[in-house]
Amino acid sequence: GAVVSQHPSWVICKSGTSVKIECRSLDFQATTMFWYRQFPKQSLMLMATSNEGSKATYEQGVEKDKFLINHASLTLSTLTVTSAHPEDSSFYICSARQDMNTEAFFGQGTRLTVV
Amino acid sequence: AQSVTQPDIHITVSEGASLELRCNYSYGATPYLFWYVQSPGQGLQLLLKYFSGDTLVQGIKGFEAEFKRSQSSFNLRKPSVHWSDAAEYFCAGGNAGNMLTFGGGTRLMVKP
Repeated sequence: GAVVSQHPSWVICKSGTSVKIECRSLDFQATTMFWYRQFPKQSLMLMATSNEGSKATYEQGVEKDKFLINHASLTLSTLTVTSAHPEDSSFYICSARQDMNTEAFFGQGTRLTVV
Repeated sequence: AQSVTQPDIHITVSEGASLELRCNYSYGATPYLFWYVQSPGQGLQLLLKYFSGDTLVQGIKGFEAEFKRSQSSFNLRKPSVHWSDAAEYFCAGGNAGNMLTFGGGTRLMVKP
């Protein structure tokens, strides 16, 4: 299957700082990328959908000014958690798909801890 | 509203025993259905998927799943569980080209 890489795998940051997470499709061009959040022992919840070259579409309850998503190229999307707080600590997972008729492939996830 | 439900939060089976993890979906049309496995602190690994056609789908690691439209189910099965199968399992559904909706997950524990 196709490969989606997330970086970093885990990160610890101080409250009030911003953290950027990268999601790359390594062997295909991803027109759409999805960002999910997973709290401990819970399921994955979709945060936003981003299409290359367009503004991301955020799910209800997700603050777009706090979780900045950029999908400037067909192989890279970034999620920036701005002014991070301890409650933002979570496991963030991206997925990417080539087009409407193909499945999405998942990255390995990024564990964010805000102290 | 579209939803995917996994009724069992935890399941414990003995090594070598058979396994069935339940998944029910609620969609207007038949969705694409997936089963993923997640080890602690890790990302998701796709076990199998159903888009159309044969309702019995074979996946990796000896897993299979059967799509039953009449029951709105897509249960995951394995005839003989190995200790390494202990993990969290997620069922997910989606329409063509759209994001996935995940079930709540089932944590599988394997007794020696």
